[in-house]
Amino acid sequence: DTGVSQDPRHKITKRGQNVTFRCDPISEHNRLYWYRQTLGQGPEFLTYFQNEAQLEKSRLLSNRFSAERPKGSFSTLEIQRTEQGDSAMYLCASSFWGELFFGEGSRLTVL
Amino acid sequence: DAKTTQPNSMESNEEEPVHLPCNHSTISGTDYIHWYRQLPSQGPEYVIHGLTSNVNNRMASLAIAEDRKSSTLILHRATLRDAAVYYCILRDRGDGNEKLTFGTGTRLTIIP
Repeated sequence: DTGVSQDPRHKITKRGQNVTFRCDPISEHNRLYWYRQTLGQGPEFLTYFQNEAQLEKSRLLSNRFSAERPKGSFSTLEIQRTEQGDSAMYLCASSFWGELFFGEGSRLTVL
Repeated sequence: DAKTTQPNSMESNEEEPVHLPCNHSTISGTDYIHWYRQLPSQGPEYVIHGLTSNVNNRMASLAIAEDRKSSTLILHRATLRDAAVYYCILRDRGDGNEKLTFGTGTRLTIIP
């Protein structure tokens, strides 16, 4: 399968711990996006990369959140000192031009 | 981003056509109308998009009003697999801003 891959699919952590999610986009897609989705809501934009450059960050992306795409291929989203309010589905998407292709997401539960 | 308004939920019988409405009265001339859907426990997937003319693809049709202030996604023959949340999104391709801004969408229930 050559779709967008996210890992892990599920993560349960205790408040205060750090977590990291990985996204492998479709090869040759130069654009990569992170979204967050809570129950009953549509996905909310977090950040956007074009190749390795992070071009836009949402105000939702507090200083506890950091995203990287070091070689313009895979990306990581790290959340430091997790809080219960961080519990959500974290979605990654990639595109070359036009439509976005989403992964199945990484579900985070903070206890 | 220009906003869209959709009904929270709709129901339709299996094997019948479904018309999902979307209002976007503040649409600008460079906004494309995109539709994505999200099946249960999956990420969103692209359905269709258009600018001014009606569009057809293998999944659906998109009918755009002449004044572009509203549009309708048409599923010609709904199946149980079409049960999902459908999002109508305006995307300005003129300013290089690539992101999509999702609303809460329309939850479509298909009745067997």
